[in-house]
Amino acid sequence: AQSVAQPEDQVNVAEGNPLTVKCTYSVSGNPYLFWYVQYPNRGLQFLLKYITGDNLVKGSYGFEAEFNKSQTSFHLKKPSALVSDSALYFCAVRDGGAGSYQLTFGKGTKLSVIP
Amino acid sequence: GAGVSQSPSNKVTEKGKDVELRCDPISGHTALYWYRQSLGQGLEFLIYFQGNSAPDKSGLPSDRFSAERTGGSVSTLTIQRTQQEDSAVYLCASSLGPLSSNQPQHFGDGTRLSIL
Repeated sequence: AQSVAQPEDQVNVAEGNPLTVKCTYSVSGNPYLFWYVQYPNRGLQFLLKYITGDNLVKGSYGFEAEFNKSQTSFHLKKPSALVSDSALYFCAVRDGGAGSYQLTFGKGTKLSVIP
Repeated sequence: GAGVSQSPSNKVTEKGKDVELRCDPISGHTALYWYRQSLGQGLEFLIYFQGNSAPDKSGLPSDRFSAERTGGSVSTLTIQRTQQEDSAVYLCASSLGPLSSNQPQHFGDGTRLSIL
């Protein structure tokens, strides 16, 4: 079975500082990994994905994520946080090896960027 | 271009009533998904439609929940005899290709359902 964990319910960071939102996963085959962001009273917006290739993936709004197979992690990062980055962030995984037809989402991490 | 549209945006109803939630996907998107988001929880998969294939209903929590997609476009999620635990935000998403293509899912803003 595929699963994803976001160990932090909330992350606080000062504006201008680097930010990291953590995600770990469990799959039996190759992982397909995604990050989405949700602003209040809105649906989720796609940020980036890892399918294959370079371990460092660049996405929207200056975000990037690093795939680490040995640590089964896919942490979201940004070099300099903005107040407008404050939102709920979801990591998601699909198990390519199991032929899964579902995308499993984590419970989300609330990011607060403090001015 | 228009994004995924969901209606109503908010719905308040009494326990025991039936409700219908509507989703208009992005034109040309073959895949459509319904999720449920409860407070403090992640997204719970409900159902997945892909083209003319039989839908994946494995996430529907009970037989009170059903969904259909007419003409490969608009979808309706129906909850019969609503219970208080059905209160949640119901999100619809669509993608250009099937789930196996790993195309990004585009989400609507959801229907916030409250059961009194």
